Amino acid sequence: AQKITQTQPGMFVQEKEAVTLDCTYDTSDPSYGLFWYKQPSSGEMIFLIYQGSYDQQNATEGRYSLNFQKARKSANLVISASQLGDSAMYFCAMRVYGGSQGNLIFGKGTKLSVKP
Amino acid sequence: ETGVTQTPRHLVMGMTNKKSLKCEQHLGHNAMYWYKQSAKKPLELMFVYNFKEQTENNSVPSRFSPECPNSSHLFLHLHTLQPEDSALYLCASSPPRGGQYEQYFGPGTRLTVT
Repeated sequence: AQKITQTQPGMFVQEKEAVTLDCTYDTSDPSYGLFWYKQPSSGEMIFLIYQGSYDQQNATEGRYSLNFQKARKSANLVISASQLGDSAMYFCAMRVYGGSQGNLIFGKGTKLSVKP
Repeated sequence: ETGVTQTPRHLVMGMTNKKSLKCEQHLGHNAMYWYKQSAKKPLELMFVYNFKEQTENNSVPSRFSPECPNSSHLFLHLHTLQPEDSALYLCASSPPRGGQYEQYFGPGTRLTVT
């Protein structure tokens, strides 16, 4: 069965510091993609970054980077130089491409609070 | 500005009411999704439409009835809901399935059933 686990219900970080949000996944399919979304209090889910299972390098998008450790089945999100506007819920998600289903499976999320 | 819009943003309804949620995407996508987000639970996929055809129904109670008249519009018709149906309902769209793509989400409708 496919599953996403986010073990940190809440995290605090000081403004301008880096923070790592943990995500582990479980799938037996070799072809999959991993996504991170940000959900501010307004409710909208904002796509941040994507990592494919066959990608050789870790994905980066501006201040966001994904620490992909395939053997450990982890896909941690690293936010550098945190800003107050980064305070939000963060969701890790996975899509498996090999089977008939290709829908996103989400974790429970981590609430990040950035302190001034 | 998001390419996926949802109306209304907030809705309070009684258990005997009938209401509809609307989603519209301006991204030229062909797949649309309804999700339910309850407090402290992962997002739950409810329905998937590809090219206006429903391709997935995740054992959703019949009091939720989706409608997809075209690739740009998606509705969720609600009737005789229960208080446990109170949640944030998110719509999303994406290009046709088969590629490595993200889903684009709308801002959601926060539903309260009294």
